Amino acid sequence: QLQLQESGPGLVKPSETLSLTCTVSGGSISSSTYYWGWIRQPPGKGLEWIGNIYYSGSTYYNPSLKSRVTISIGTSKNQFSLKLTSVTAADTAVYYCARSGYTYGYLNNWGQGALVTVPS
Amino acid sequence: DIQMTQSPSTLSASVGDRVTITCRASQSISGWLAWYQQKPGKAPKLLVYKATTLESGVPSRFSGSASGTEFTLTISSLQPDDFAIFYCQQYHDYPYTFGQGTKLEIK
Repeated sequence: QLQLQESGPGLVKPSETLSLTCTVSGGSISSSTYYWGWIRQPPGKGLEWIGNIYYSGSTYYNPSLKSRVTISIGTSKNQFSLKLTSVTAADTAVYYCARSGYTYGYLNNWGQGALVTVPS
Repeated sequence: DIQMTQSPSTLSASVGDRVTITCRASQSISGWLAWYQQKPGKAPKLLVYKATTLESGVPSRFSGSASGTEFTLTISSLQPDDFAIFYCQQYHDYPYTFGQGTKLEIK
């Protein structure tokens, strides 16, 4: 059974870089069948798609965050990562990693989420 | 970006009720729409994809329909476990976008 688990610091200072890792178990991140993505949810608010990555390293980013976001893949550890630079309090959110398909974009496997707080 | 507009924002209903949540896309998305259910402190759970296809393991009281750029999620007979927040998502174009959510609460 596929499982995804986010990990990383829960507190990031303003102007610094948020870094999170998603570890995948029960399946290979090197599969050509899937995309691996990040979604975030500010406290009490809705969902925002951040971006995704294919095993080849090809990425798609939300234009609203594109200048600050990097998603990378580490096939040796079956992990992929998110970096968000120059964070502000507006970046405080639960960050989810998730899997979608190469031929479909719905998200059928999610991690449990990781709360990252940026103090104001 | 494709805008997804859900209605209502909040819905109060009782166990056994039939309820419908609507999601409207700002342009054609060719049926590439998913519905998710999110409970407090949990990740969203996929309910429906391709507008009308029920994800494996999802109870048959959930159903999705589509008409042009308007999509609906219907729960035929509400169960206590169904009270949650529901989101639609389009995956026709990048960036993928979600509706603002519909909170289904107990009347």
